[in-house]
Amino acid sequence: KNQVEQSPQSLIILEGKNCTLQCNYTVSPFSNLRWYKQDTGRGPVSLTIMTFSENTKSNGRYTATLDADTKQSSLHITASQLSDSASYICVVSLLRGSGYALNFGKGTSLLVTP
Amino acid sequence: EPEVTQTPSHQVTQMGQEVILRCVPISNHLYFYWYRQILGQKVEFLVSFYNNEISEKSEIFDDQFSVERPDGSNFTLKIRSTKLEDSAMYFCASSEWSSNQPQHFGDGTRLSIL
Repeated sequence: KNQVEQSPQSLIILEGKNCTLQCNYTVSPFSNLRWYKQDTGRGPVSLTIMTFSENTKSNGRYTATLDADTKQSSLHITASQLSDSASYICVVSLLRGSGYALNFGKGTSLLVTP
Repeated sequence: EPEVTQTPSHQVTQMGQEVILRCVPISNHLYFYWYRQILGQKVEFLVSFYNNEISEKSEIFDDQFSVERPDGSNFTLKIRSTKLEDSAMYFCASSEWSSNQPQHFGDGTRLSIL
């Protein structure tokens, strides 16, 4: 069964601090890995997309890494802000047939406090 | 910035009734998707749609579900005979010219089945 596991389940950090969220996956054949940010009551917003050949990708204060050999990814948030409080979801795209099946993790709930 | 819009924001329906959820994707996007998120659980892929036909669907997307692009702007999800377990947040998303592109999500329709 294709699975995407994220850790930690929840995290509390002080404003201005850095943090790293983890994602392990068993999806195969792998097409790409995405990180989304989901604010409460809103739809997910894309942060990064990486193919198997990419090791790192940045989007402002967000930097995602990918190790396709160990099937691990991380999302590093630098100099956190209160607005970073949200759920961060790792999504692995499985290439299947004529389309892509997306496998979602359960997310890491991040709370940034003053 | 263009947005994916979904209506209604909240739909309450009696079990067994048909419901249609509506989405207006971003105008120049070619790929369309439906996802659902049961309260407290992860986002689940339902279906992807391209060139007026389904390109991929999950095991969840059984015969009670259907999608349609009735005109040049709307993308709808129909649930024919709703069940209690259909209660969830339903998200519509669209991507530009490839399903490998970032997907832009709407803010969802909360479907409550009584």
